[in-house]
Amino acid sequence: DTEVTQTPKHLVMGMTNKKSLKCEQHMGHRAMYWYKQKAKKPPELMFVYSYEKLSINESVPSRFSPECPNSSLLNLHLHALQPEDSALYLCASSQDVPRNTGELFFGEGSRLTVL
Amino acid sequence: GENVEQHPSTLSVQEGDSAVIKCTYSDSASNYFPWYKQELGKRPQLIIDIRSNVGEKKDQRIAVTLNKTAKHFSLHITETQPEDSAVYFCAATSDRGSTLGRLYFGRGTQLTVWP
Repeated sequence: DTEVTQTPKHLVMGMTNKKSLKCEQHMGHRAMYWYKQKAKKPPELMFVYSYEKLSINESVPSRFSPECPNSSLLNLHLHALQPEDSALYLCASSQDVPRNTGELFFGEGSRLTVL
Repeated sequence: GENVEQHPSTLSVQEGDSAVIKCTYSDSASNYFPWYKQELGKRPQLIIDIRSNVGEKKDQRIAVTLNKTAKHFSLHITETQPEDSAVYFCAATSDRGSTLGRLYFGRGTQLTVWP
């Protein structure tokens, strides 16, 4: 299984809603990532988890809250988002961050629209 | 931090022609350079990568070259086909120091192959 699975594929939410994005991988990878991608732009790193611990937070606003319940799962909790947060949110995993020079496997993404 | 520049931003070629996309990086500590292809509405997928101890790598119609002295690397696609049409992202990272866990992307090249 070389898949990173993300749910939901599409999400529309109001600025007062609370929702979560979910990501799952069963490749035994110990590093998991959240990226944000706007149209025609490269992915922007948001968070990195290494061995279920948050190792990088790229100064992301607190309305985005990541969680790594176990080595296979990664969540992104969303609260009080702004319309400019509308984007494709990509989850990715890799074998190991300390030897990070290895392939990132991306999920298909969750397309988020904030009204 | 690392800065990756990518050119051109758009590239149109006739089917069967070659396509070349060039990237430069700023951090001499970077030692891993992947290339990702992202088709419209799809996830980024690794197509080829190169490490700093190698000058060139080839995989069928795709090749990547790396010049560490000049800090640039290039993607070469030969005998292009319409299905090669996509956005291509170069990236750079290091397995040590403050860049650990961060993949620095170029801005992307929209490649269009005309039949």
